[in-house]
Amino acid sequence: GESVGLHLPTLSVQEGDNSIINCAYSNSASDYFIWYKQESGKGPQFIIDIRSNMDKRQGQRVTVLLNKTVKHLSLQIAATQPGDSAVYFCAENQGGSQGNLIFGKGTKLSVKP
Amino acid sequence: EAGVAQSPRYKIIEKRQSVAFWCNPISGHATLYWYQQILGQGPKLLIQFQNNGVVDDSQLPKDRFSAERLKGVDSTLKIQPAKLEDSAVYLCASSLSRGSISPLHFGNGTRLTVT
Repeated sequence: GESVGLHLPTLSVQEGDNSIINCAYSNSASDYFIWYKQESGKGPQFIIDIRSNMDKRQGQRVTVLLNKTVKHLSLQIAATQPGDSAVYFCAENQGGSQGNLIFGKGTKLSVKP
Repeated sequence: EAGVAQSPRYKIIEKRQSVAFWCNPISGHATLYWYQQILGQGPKLLIQFQNNGVVDDSQLPKDRFSAERLKGVDSTLKIQPAKLEDSAVYLCASSLSRGSISPLHFGNGTRLTVT
């Protein structure tokens, strides 16, 4: 079936550097994408979302880029901090307004001080 | 605003026993979801409610799992009888969902261990 996947299962960066986490999706009908951060022992925490009629959206220190041509999503974190260490999931809504999300496997981000 | 509340935080049971999880969504959120997250994987949808009606339960193992949201607010998820492969974190989420998609807000989950 259709699924969301991630290119890199682990990512290690130096504090202060920028981080880029990538995600590939396969369903061209997906119209809404969202990034979550999950720390150990906690539920996923909303970071940023983007609808399919946009190709870029910025938040505080984070930017999501959507390339529908190649079905690729990325999360950029500026000036990565130790508190950013977590597992990051991308998720997609495969059309419709129901809002149930299909999650990828996740990328573990480790920030070295 | 208060977040999604779940209880218990942890539960250990033996296989073939039953277990129930409780969720209280964010006030005013019409849509409630139960997700299963196996260690090392992303969450997988089990069931979605809109108010007190089921929208999607296609991935719920109905021979052993059941869920209800009788008054359109709190929800319970039950497993009876449990199997070893049910060991996972059970996440509840809610969203506003008034005509368009909105972000899901998750609770911290119940970690279930089946021995």
